Amino acid sequence: DAKTTQPNSMESNEEEPVHLPCNHSTISGTDYIHWYRQLPSQGPEYVIHGLTSNVNNRMASLAIAEDRKSSTLILHRATLRDAAVYYCILRESGGSNYKLTFGKGTLLTVNP
Amino acid sequence: DTGVSQDPRHKITKRGQNVTFRCDPISEHNRLYWYRQTLGQGPEFLTYFQNEAQLEKSRLLSDRFSAERPKGSFSTLEIQRTEQGDSAMYLCASSWTAIANYGYTFGSGTRLTVV
Repeated sequence: DAKTTQPNSMESNEEEPVHLPCNHSTISGTDYIHWYRQLPSQGPEYVIHGLTSNVNNRMASLAIAEDRKSSTLILHRATLRDAAVYYCILRESGGSNYKLTFGKGTLLTVNP
Repeated sequence: DTGVSQDPRHKITKRGQNVTFRCDPISEHNRLYWYRQTLGQGPEFLTYFQNEAQLEKSRLLSDRFSAERPKGSFSTLEIQRTEQGDSAMYLCASSWTAIANYGYTFGSGTRLTVV
């Protein structure tokens, strides 16, 4: 499985934007970039995914570099409820696309 | 449908005992997955089902572990002769094949403590 690299932790202030980076230099042309987050004592929650173009949904935006070797998850206005571990995952679009390979993720702390 | 349900939420057992966990996926989802998560780590894949067929098992799933999904609906994960190293959060997730490039829905997990 292709690997991703994320900072261990980041800190933000409430109501400010947060940019969570992810490096995936060995990404293949058919790998989707998925983001999940895990709140304390909960299972992971799907946030967003993309292939080549930037994506927006109600939770966040995903900015993908032109060479696809990195991406950034953007939370436009962080709230205390956004404090979680954020995982960047590459998901193959082929036969083994059922499997998610999680790293350690980025622990986001949101200060009031 | 309220999402993926897991039962129990917490389980404390003595070493050597057998335990069984249950997962009820989203009803329209035909794929079901089990993951295990230890403290400070991301979830690790254990096994997955498409309908009632178990299609892959991770090497993490020793002979003491068995999973079933009768009739392609709910699933159970059994651990026999538990060991302290089995202490972890066991997560279940489900998805729909036709939209495989969309997200999984995870349950809240069963936290197992082996004493």
